[in-house]
Amino acid sequence: GAVVSQHPSRVICKSGTSVKIECRSLDFQATTMFWYRQFPKQSLMLMATSNEGSKATYEQGVEKDKFLINHASLTLSTLTVTSAHPEDSSFYICSASLSGGGANVLTFGAGSRLTVL
Amino acid sequence: GENVEQHPSTLSVQEGDSAVIKCTYSDSASNYFPWYKQELGKRPQLIIDIRSNVGEKKDQRIAVTLNKTAKHFSLHITETQPEDSAVYFCAATGTYKYIFGTGTRLKVLA
Repeated sequence: GAVVSQHPSRVICKSGTSVKIECRSLDFQATTMFWYRQFPKQSLMLMATSNEGSKATYEQGVEKDKFLINHASLTLSTLTVTSAHPEDSSFYICSASLSGGGANVLTFGAGSRLTVL
Repeated sequence: GENVEQHPSTLSVQEGDSAVIKCTYSDSASNYFPWYKQELGKRPQLIIDIRSNVGEKKDQRIAVTLNKTAKHFSLHITETQPEDSAVYFCAATGTYKYIFGTGTRLKVLA
């Protein structure tokens, strides 16, 4: 089945630094990938839709200059949290869609837990 | 805007009993309704899904029902086991954008 690999699984960084998270579709090509943020005991909040070869579409309230998304190939999307602050600490999960039957089935990466000191 | 409501937020059941989680969606264009199970610190895992042309789907102890008219869909887990304890999320989508419910924390008591 479809596999999405996400790296790193955990990252700790100092305030003001930037962190890059990678999301790869291992056995399929994903023209569209999605980035979610999840706070403890809360649901998944869609941050942005990453489109291969074009600009990402950000959800309302998500700062595009803060969360840079690059989808340079059909198997890789990256999320860079720029000038990270403690409030950016969260669980970030990517997903990729596998087309089928009129609605795309999502497969999730394992998530990246970011802690900003 | 689009919204998915999920109830209850927490649910405790005795091992062997059934558990039911309910979701209501607002976007009438939604045609695909997956359910995900998420264990602490791990990725959401798809456990069952249903499309709008079907009213019910079953996979062993898990079943999902869909009422398109009322825009309701429900997850049913029978003969619950301790390993069913997790957070469950429903979702609704019409194309590619998933709208997730707020999650239900299920505890199965041994």
